[in-house]
Formats: sequence, structure tokens, C-alpha cells
Amino acid sequence: QVQLVQSGAEVKKPGASVKVSCKASGYTFTSYGISWVRQAPGQGLEWMGWISAYNGNTNYAQKLQGRVTMTTDTSTSTAYMELRSLRSDDTAVYYCARDHSGYDFGYWGQGTLVTVSS
Amino acid sequence: QSALTQPASVSGSPGQSITISCTGTSSDVGSYNLVSWYQQHPGKAPKLMIYEGSKRPSGVSNRFSGSKSGNTASLTISGLQAEDEADYYCCSYAGSVVFGGGTKLTVL
Repeated sequence: QVQLVQSGAEVKKPGASVKVSCKASGYTFTSYGISWVRQAPGQGLEWMGWISAYNGNTNYAQKLQGRVTMTTDTSTSTAYMELRSLRSDDTAVYYCARDHSGYDFGYWGQGTLVTVSS
Repeated sequence: QSALTQPASVSGSPGQSITISCTGTSSDVGSYNLVSWYQQHPGKAPKLMIYEGSKRPSGVSNRFSGSKSGNTASLTISGLQAEDEADYYCCSYAGSVVFGGGTKLTVL
């Protein structure tokens, strides 16, 4: 069965960077893209961007351009999301999600809480 | 790109039907048949309920249906059950992806 397993919770100081991993199993990794979606405490979902696991092409949300980088390692079927220059309003649960048929998300990781606090 | 507009809350009694609306623009909901809907229970990851406007993934109850008219998409849940109580988010593709603000469904 398809599974996305994310790395554990992180606590970072403002200005630092965080890198969250998402290890996929149960399907051919390079056949689907991976999106990253975050959810601030008590708030809604925010799409951060998408990466093709086939060729590494990316599409980032305009709001995060310049601060976010998404990569994949096909040898380990793992996707990564790095966010730099962290601010307190980056505190959120970060999810990876696999494409279903296009820009919709059929499988989700369990979420990774990133807390930004001085 | 602005978020899609959803009602903050809706409610219904067991067995009833409810509809959640999702209003966008001619640049997103109105232009693409790529609206999806997600159910999220507290502390859990979202779950895909509807994709490409009206299609149900395998395993999703046929009590859930999606439709679109102009710039507004809708999710209808029929035969409401207690376990349907959750937050629901719509989502549309328009060059990038935009979510609605979410709707809290309460089953009375």
C-alpha cells in the first residue's frame, strides 16, 4: 500500500532553516509528483509547491519563492522540502502529499510539526 | 492568488443532506475542471474525497458528490452520518494550487 512517512518534529530559531523529508513506498516513486502543504495552528491548508519525482521540475507558490527548495532522491524514494529564513508565522504542520491524477492529492504523509520560536 | 471562498460552518442532522460551496474566479474554478475536496478530522491528515470536480477515489462513499456551476464548485454529502463531522477544504488548480479557507461541518 502507498505510504508517505515524514521526518520528526523540529524546533528552530527565527532565521534558521529546516529540511523535512518524506519517504515514499508502495508505488513507483518516479511516476508521481509530490506536493508540500502546510497548516498553521488552527488555520487552513496552504499549498507550498510541487516537484516532479520524474525529472525534478518544480512549481513553487509565489509567496514562498526564494525561501523554499524542493528536491527528491530517487535512489531512496524520498522527497525533501527545505524552508529558509524561518519566521514565527512559519510555525505549522507540514505535509507531503502525492499526486492522485494531477494537482490533487491522493496520499498524505502524517505531517511534521515545525515550531519557530526564539 | 486569493483563497477560494467557503462558508465557515455548516450543520445538519443525521440522514439529511448538506452542500458546501466553494467560490473562485474565472481564472481558477471557472477555467479548469480540477477542483478537489478534502476531509480533515482533528489531528489527522486530509483525505481526498472528490477530484476533477466530481470523481470519487476508490473507497470513498457514494454519499459524497461534487459538482460545478460557473465559478462555484459544490460538495454534497447525503445521508449525513456522525463520522462526517470534520473540516472540509476545496482546492483548485490555476497554474498553481489554491485552497479554500475550510468549512467546519457539524452533525447535530
